[in-house]
Amino acid sequence: NAGVTQTPKFQVLKTGQSMTLQCAQDMNHEYMSWYRQDPGMGLRLIHYSVGAGITDQGEVPNGYNVSRSTTEDFPLRLLSAAPSQTSVYFCASSPGIYNSPLHFGNGTRLTVT
Amino acid sequence: ELKVEQNPLFLSMQEGKNYTIYCNYSTTSDRLYWYRQDPGKSLESLFVLLSNGAVKQEGRLMASLDTKARLSTLHITAAVHDLSATYFCALEDGGTSYGKLTFGQGTILTVHP
Repeated sequence: NAGVTQTPKFQVLKTGQSMTLQCAQDMNHEYMSWYRQDPGMGLRLIHYSVGAGITDQGEVPNGYNVSRSTTEDFPLRLLSAAPSQTSVYFCASSPGIYNSPLHFGNGTRLTVT
Repeated sequence: ELKVEQNPLFLSMQEGKNYTIYCNYSTTSDRLYWYRQDPGKSLESLFVLLSNGAVKQEGRLMASLDTKARLSTLHITAAVHDLSATYFCALEDGGTSYGKLTFGQGTILTVHP
């Protein structure tokens, strides 16, 4: 199994550009989430989904949109990139079992100039 | 608001020595996780702790949970260079909020010969 797959691995954007970070999982997990990782701050939750058609905001949702049209895919859209969005982005999925950890993708390193 | 604090944030150890990383959190939670991250890589699950007094061990790492003190510890025994990495603790909101984690800042562990 591929697990959680994120694309692209690296991306450079100019301020004001938009883009979509892709995330797909092949484990039939209902729960998916997006985190950003910044030095010294751990990971912070951006958006969250408990199943197809259902999304919710996390701790730092401003500037990001998500949708969940299928169980497998959970794309993260940056509407108008800002330098403050320079970060490493991780997508994760969970089977929703009490003792099961999150499964993380390999991350997307985004630089906004 | 759930807050998670780790200390120390930086830990430089000699091989063969023992040390403990502490994870304090602000509210009660069902589930606590420990993750390891190597530079430029994704997060790897180490332990899932679900109840007060839970203790789990894997190799030179042992994690414990004291829900009354709102404290988890990650103890390293006889450190080796391969344990050099960043370690995160994270709490899940609880109930059916699978995948909604609040992370500590991370502890950067460096093991020297």
